[in-house]
Amino acid sequence: GDSVTQMEGPVTLSEEAFLTINCTYTATGYPSLFWYVQYPGEGLQLLLKATKADDKGSNKGFEATYRKETTSFHLEKGSVQVSDSAVYFCALSASGGYNKLIFGAGTRLAVHP
Amino acid sequence: KAGVTQTPRYLIKTRGQQVTLSCSPISGHRSVSWYQQTPGQGLQFLFEYFSETQRNKGNFPGRFSGRQFSNSRSEMNVSTLELGDSALYLCASSLEGQKNTEAFFGQGTRLTVV
Repeated sequence: GDSVTQMEGPVTLSEEAFLTINCTYTATGYPSLFWYVQYPGEGLQLLLKATKADDKGSNKGFEATYRKETTSFHLEKGSVQVSDSAVYFCALSASGGYNKLIFGAGTRLAVHP
Repeated sequence: KAGVTQTPRYLIKTRGQQVTLSCSPISGHRSVSWYQQTPGQGLQFLFEYFSETQRNKGNFPGRFSGRQFSNSRSEMNVSTLELGDSALYLCASSLEGQKNTEAFFGQGTRLTVV
C-alpha cells in the first residue's frame, strides 16, 4: 500500500542554518504530495503542496520539489528561524482515496538562537 | 472566515465508556475527514465523509464510527473505550471531494482514557 518515510528527528539547528528534511514515498499512480506543520498544541497547517512530477511547492521560504524518478519530496529552507520550531509531516493523497492522506511519522525541528 | 472547529478540546473518559466528538467544517466545505494521532502510531486516517456519505474508511475496529449531517458537520463516536484510544483526534475539511484539494485541520480533541 501507499506509504511515506521521513527522516527521523529531532533535527536541531542554529538560527539562519540551512534545513533539509528528507521524505520519500511509495504509491500507486500519481499522488499529490504535501508538507504539513504542527506547532505545539495545534492542529496541522498546510505548508506547501505539489500535484505532479517536477512541480515545486513553496511557502514562507520553504520549498519542496516533486521528484518522481526518486519518489522524493524533500523539504528545504535556506535560513531557519526560531519560529520555525515545530513538527513537520510529509503526506500523500492515497490512491483512489479522495481526501485520504497518508502521513509520514513527522520530524521535530528545534531551532536555537 | 471561521476555520475548522472541533469540540470539545479536551476530554477525560473511563474505560468502557463511549464518547462523541464534534467537527464543524469551514463554511461551504462538504468533505470531512478524521484522523487519530498518537506518539506510537503517528497520524492515521479514520474515515472520510462527503455529502453525508462515508466514502472511505481506515483500518480501525467497528468501535469507531462517524456520521455527517446535512449541514456538513460531522461527529465521530468511539464506544467501549480502551486505554489505547487515548489520542489527539483531528478533523479536516475540504472544499471539494477531489484528492488534490487542500485539507484544513482543526485544533483537535485530546481524549484521555483512564
